[in-house]
Amino acid sequence: KAGVTQTPRYLIKTRGQQVTLSCSPISGHRSVSWYQQTPGQGLQFLFEYFSETQRNKGNFPGRFSGRQFSNSRSEMNVSTLELGDSALYLCASSLRGALNSPLHFGNGTRLTVT
Amino acid sequence: AQKVTQAQTEISVVEKEDVTLDCVYETRDTTYYLFWYKQPPSGELVFLIRRNSFDEQNEISGRYSWNFQKSTSSFNFTITASQVVDSAVYFCALSDPGLGGSTLGRLYFGRGTQLTVWP
Repeated sequence: KAGVTQTPRYLIKTRGQQVTLSCSPISGHRSVSWYQQTPGQGLQFLFEYFSETQRNKGNFPGRFSGRQFSNSRSEMNVSTLELGDSALYLCASSLRGALNSPLHFGNGTRLTVT
Repeated sequence: AQKVTQAQTEISVVEKEDVTLDCVYETRDTTYYLFWYKQPPSGELVFLIRRNSFDEQNEISGRYSWNFQKSTSSFNFTITASQVVDSAVYFCALSDPGLGGSTLGRLYFGRGTQLTVWP
């Protein structure tokens, strides 16, 4: 069974630009969540989608958004990039969220904002 | 509020030594789940274990074992006879319904423990 796939692996953007990251969950998984990992803040929850609906959102500004498609694939978008958005963005999929099943993570997308 | 504390930032051991990684958590919910993940240098988080709050039995999987004690809100992870390949950052995490009573849950991570195993 293929794991969680995130594309691209690396991105370099400049301040003010926007970026879209993609995540393909494990087949059959309907929940997709996103986490940001930085040296200063550690792993922080961004949002979670289930059946194309955002079910939970972390404390991030509105510049961070996401969506989930009918095939459970998910994208997250960051607009008006800031230097502080440089991070490893990790996507996780599960059958029905962390309360019901393990979260399985992808390799992440490393975003560098210059 | 939910909180996970991993007091050990870095641990170094020599191969074949046993090592225990500590994890202390806080939650107001009676139903919650605890997790351990391993993050090797490649970056992905590798799932190791998920344990629910009603199951306090210790678990052993090969060289790995976990000790869950609700009385002290701890969920410690021991690697027996450590190997160089065990070198990684290990994260403890908590999931509970939270204020919104979510049926899906999200993970609250500790800051991680960098384990280095020397040959």
